[in-house]
Amino acid sequence: ETGVTQTPRHLVMGMTNKKSLKCEQHLGHNAMYWYKQSAKKPLELMFVYNFKEQTENNSVPSRFSPECPNSSHLFLHLHTLQPEDSALYLCASSQPKRLVEQFFGPGTRLTVL
Amino acid sequence: GDSVTQMEGPVTLSEEAFLTINCTYTATGYPSLFWYVQYPGEGLQLLLKATKADDKGSNKGFEATYRKETTSFHLEKGSVQVSDSAVYFCALSGVGGTSYGKLTFGQGTILTVHP
Repeated sequence: ETGVTQTPRHLVMGMTNKKSLKCEQHLGHNAMYWYKQSAKKPLELMFVYNFKEQTENNSVPSRFSPECPNSSHLFLHLHTLQPEDSALYLCASSQPKRLVEQFFGPGTRLTVL
Repeated sequence: GDSVTQMEGPVTLSEEAFLTINCTYTATGYPSLFWYVQYPGEGLQLLLKATKADDKGSNKGFEATYRKETTSFHLEKGSVQVSDSAVYFCALSGVGGTSYGKLTFGQGTILTVHP
């Protein structure tokens, strides 16, 4: 039990679809993260939220739109994706301070056709 | 900026063999260091951590010692099992940057253990 849940676990979508990924943490954390994990590539940090405010956007294309309505929930809205966006999308949370570990969800396996 | 370098994989071992996965880092000050493990089809799980120099993190038979003088945090296990087959990530949490709680990851090392 990691305390971080993600839904859906698997998603197949066409390039013209709009979908959303959801992340929820039950750990009382105030920092949340989205990562992209592609085959044969390093883990890529996409977005960081501290206390519901976005503090990092690592040059992510605008077809990915994050939303953090409160400290427990994080969404990633997807629209007009490309096949190269197919990957495992991981959510994580932590205390909003330095030198601490992050706790990860199981990920959403996204396939873009 | 902060960086983490792991040994290239994949690593293939027989059951009960000794495992070492090398990890070195670059960071200002005294970061915290972590090893994460990712089993097939799952997210990352924290395996062990060390928060100051000479600390030894340990869990499930795995160990790593925070070596400030060599800026290293090598992962070791005396006798691996088939169930240890996974991807292992070394990571650090530093004192700089604008985002609290941010981690810097190594590229990951794939470990396969054969019976």
